Amino acid sequence: QKEVEQDPGPLSVPEGAIVSLNCTYSNSAFQYFMWYRQYSRKGPELLMYTYSSGNKEDGRFTAQVDKSSKYISLFIRDSQPSDSATYLCAMTYGNQFYFGTGTSLTVIP
Amino acid sequence: DTEVTQTPKHLVMGMTNKKSLKCEQHMGHRAMYWYKQKAKKPPELMFVYSYEKLSINESVPSRFSPECPNSSLLNLHLHALQPEDSALYLCASSQSGGPQETQYFGPGTRLLVL
Repeated sequence: QKEVEQDPGPLSVPEGAIVSLNCTYSNSAFQYFMWYRQYSRKGPELLMYTYSSGNKEDGRFTAQVDKSSKYISLFIRDSQPSDSATYLCAMTYGNQFYFGTGTSLTVIP
Repeated sequence: DTEVTQTPKHLVMGMTNKKSLKCEQHMGHRAMYWYKQKAKKPPELMFVYSYEKLSINESVPSRFSPECPNSSLLNLHLHALQPEDSALYLCASSQSGGPQETQYFGPGTRLLVL
């Protein structure tokens, strides 16, 4: 079983839709959870960073962590074509930094 | 300034060539990382430097040789690469390499080995 599981998609939504991206993990020792956005041919860009269970909001983005279910989510409200990218979840344990496989998102104008 | 820069952006090399990738950050971070990313895959960790010392080497072949001349710079020396080494090479940095730290990534160097 992989440490971090993420549906690769692709996910295609109309502009203005609410997007939900999710990851599950197996190791309850994971403490810090991140979401990165990666445009084609670019390096990952940090979007959100959370530690505890609960929600964290930043503009149109909301990150949610449910440690009891080992489940994290990223919600994008009022999605824009510029949100079209691959979204990677990541989490840390010890010295290791684990990435999900990434979900490819396309927002259609 | 949360920028990590990498040069070159693109590199094409033959299997007998020697080349180097460069990474620089001016955030005062003391940990720097090299990742390799193949198409439609997540980044895979190659090396970690913490306080200019190599702290993690993920069993990377010796044809990849990292170097950390100072706390702001990280190089990756390439020699006798194989076509399967073609990938996006990403540099990242974090505060000191601790387990809870966020990593900041550069734009990557896209490498093609012929």
